[in-house]
Amino acid sequence: GAVVSQHPSRVICKSGTSVKIECRSLDFQATTMFWYRQFPKQSLMLMATSNEGSKATYEQGVEKDKFLINHASLTLSTLTVTSAHPEDSSFYICSAAPGARSTDTQYFGPGTRLTVL
Amino acid sequence: AQSVTQLGSHVSVSEGALVLLRCNYSSSVPPYLFWYVQYPNQGLQLLLKYTSAATLVKGINGFEAEFKKSETSFHLTKPSAHMSDAAEYFCAVSAPFSGGYNKLIFGAGTRLAVHP
Repeated sequence: GAVVSQHPSRVICKSGTSVKIECRSLDFQATTMFWYRQFPKQSLMLMATSNEGSKATYEQGVEKDKFLINHASLTLSTLTVTSAHPEDSSFYICSAAPGARSTDTQYFGPGTRLTVL
Repeated sequence: AQSVTQLGSHVSVSEGALVLLRCNYSSSVPPYLFWYVQYPNQGLQLLLKYTSAATLVKGINGFEAEFKKSETSFHLTKPSAHMSDAAEYFCAVSAPFSGGYNKLIFGAGTRLAVHP
């Protein structure tokens, strides 16, 4: 089956530093990648959608300058949390889809737990 | 606009009992519906999806769901619960997106507990 990896799985950083999270589709080419944020015991909230080679589309209320997304290739997307603060601590999950149709399954990565001290 | 409501944030069943997790959707266009499962500190795994073919959809691990347009429902069932089924379950609807990309709208999730 389709496999999506994320790295790192856990990261602890100091307030004010930047953190980069990688999302890779290991056995398929991902036309579209998605970044979600999940607070404890809550559902996933979509942050942004990215297509390879084009700018990401951010959901309302998500700061594009704070959460930088780069979809450099058909197998790699990165999320950089810039100048992280404690309120950015969360579980970040990416997903990848082979296409852009509504029927295309999104395959999820294992998530990255970010803790900002 | 699309939305998903999962009735019951927590469901507890005995091992071997029927599992029923409820999901109702709202959509202005014919929806595509998904059920995902999440184990602690992990990402989401697709259980099954409905994409306008058969209304009864069979998924992995013995789960199935039935799309009922008249009831705007897509409830998830399993005849006999196993201890390993204990997890968080999310129902999601795929929404047309202005940029042309698919987009998942998730329900709040239902935590399933299975006791001996």
